[in-house]
Amino acid sequence: QVQLVQSGAEVKKPGASVKVSCKSSGYNFTDYSFSWVRQVPGQGLEWVGWISAHNGNTDFAEKVQGRVTMTADTSTNTLYMDLRSLTSDDTAVYYCARESPIRYFDLWGRGTLVSVSS
Amino acid sequence: DIQMTQSPSTLSASVGDRVTITCRASQSVSGWLAWYQQKPGKAPKLLIYTASTLESGVPSRFSGSASGTEFTLTISGLQPDDSATYYCQQYNYYPFTFGPGTKVEIK
Repeated sequence: QVQLVQSGAEVKKPGASVKVSCKSSGYNFTDYSFSWVRQVPGQGLEWVGWISAHNGNTDFAEKVQGRVTMTADTSTNTLYMDLRSLTSDDTAVYYCARESPIRYFDLWGRGTLVSVSS
Repeated sequence: DIQMTQSPSTLSASVGDRVTITCRASQSVSGWLAWYQQKPGKAPKLLIYTASTLESGVPSRFSGSASGTEFTLTISGLQPDDSATYYCQQYNYYPFTFGPGTKVEIK
């Protein structure tokens, strides 16, 4: 079955780190690139960054640049997003999304809520 | 970064109505524009890509068009299941950017 399955909700304190996973199945993982998109509850969608599962190349939004690492494990077909130095502004639902060959998002995970609170 | 705007921010319409949502880009995105539908507590769902191509499985009452940097999503014959928030997104340049969303309510 073609899908992206994300890890469960996380609660973190300010200054901590969080690692969210996204396991893909049903297609050739390394043929695709993926993005992470976040959504503050009740607000709009914000692109966080991109990774190529083929070669591991990445690009990130300025807002998280220097605090985020994205990796793609081709042995398990799993993506990881590691976000450090968390603040309350990072509280959001984080989605992984597969990019089609022309880069629109044609497959989404169900989202992972990351809550940052003291 | 390319800024995306949408109008209206909310709209209320009756079942069977024709509904139009407009999205504008701050610069050319060369037609690389997608529309997504999102229902509460759910991930976004792709409706349209390259401005006017309907994603497989999406009802034909949804359509998209483009004129320069202005894009339109039309729902012809609004159905109760169409109650959702709709987002446009440009994928011509990183950082990809989304419009702020249009919430569609059924009267």
